[in-house]
Amino acid sequence: DADVTQTPRNRITKTGKRIMLECSQTKGHDRMYWYRQDPGLGLRLIYYSFDVKDINKGEISDGYSVSRQAQAKFSLSLESAIPNQTALYFCATSDTSQDGYTFGSGTRLTVV
Amino acid sequence: KQEVTQIPAALSVPEGENLVLNCSFTDSAIYNLQWFRQDPGKGLTSLLLIQSSQREQTSGRLNASLDKSSGRSTLYIAASQPGDSATYLCAVPYYGNNRLAFGKGNQVVVIP
Repeated sequence: DADVTQTPRNRITKTGKRIMLECSQTKGHDRMYWYRQDPGLGLRLIYYSFDVKDINKGEISDGYSVSRQAQAKFSLSLESAIPNQTALYFCATSDTSQDGYTFGSGTRLTVV
Repeated sequence: KQEVTQIPAALSVPEGENLVLNCSFTDSAIYNLQWFRQDPGKGLTSLLLIQSSQREQTSGRLNASLDKSSGRSTLYIAASQPGDSATYLCAVPYYGNNRLAFGKGNQVVVIP
């Protein structure tokens, strides 16, 4: 099994629908992150969490919410999806400041 | 805020040539620097992690150097192969290591 697993891998949804992207990790890391990637804009941080009780906004949190259900699980929700949320979404984990980041395989989301 | 720049944005080389990919960052107070590989539409695979106290890291045909004082890192790929075709991303922590700043990548094509 992959260290960081994202589901679903691909999703097409309609404008206005609520959608949840899920992430689970087996690294035992405390820190988890959600990024989105857009062509020409690179990767941008949406939300991050340093433990179950700690949730922080990133650069582009508007229109998104998150839930840290357990140390190993961090989900991202789009309450009312809009077309400009079409992107590749990545979950990542890290441990201490000396450790690197581990990324999941991504979820390709298309909002029509 | 940490700004990361990668040059060149894209390059094509014949198989067997050595690749040199450059990354520069604006804030030299970093904990570490990480190089990733990304295939089109896929996830990020960590290649090398260099701690701030290190000058370089090597893994097989890959060597990454770090000059923290000048805000630069270079990824060398020796004897390139068509399978090396991908986008290479440089990333450094910032904001007290709470976030990861990414460059926009070096898109590499190795021509057989």
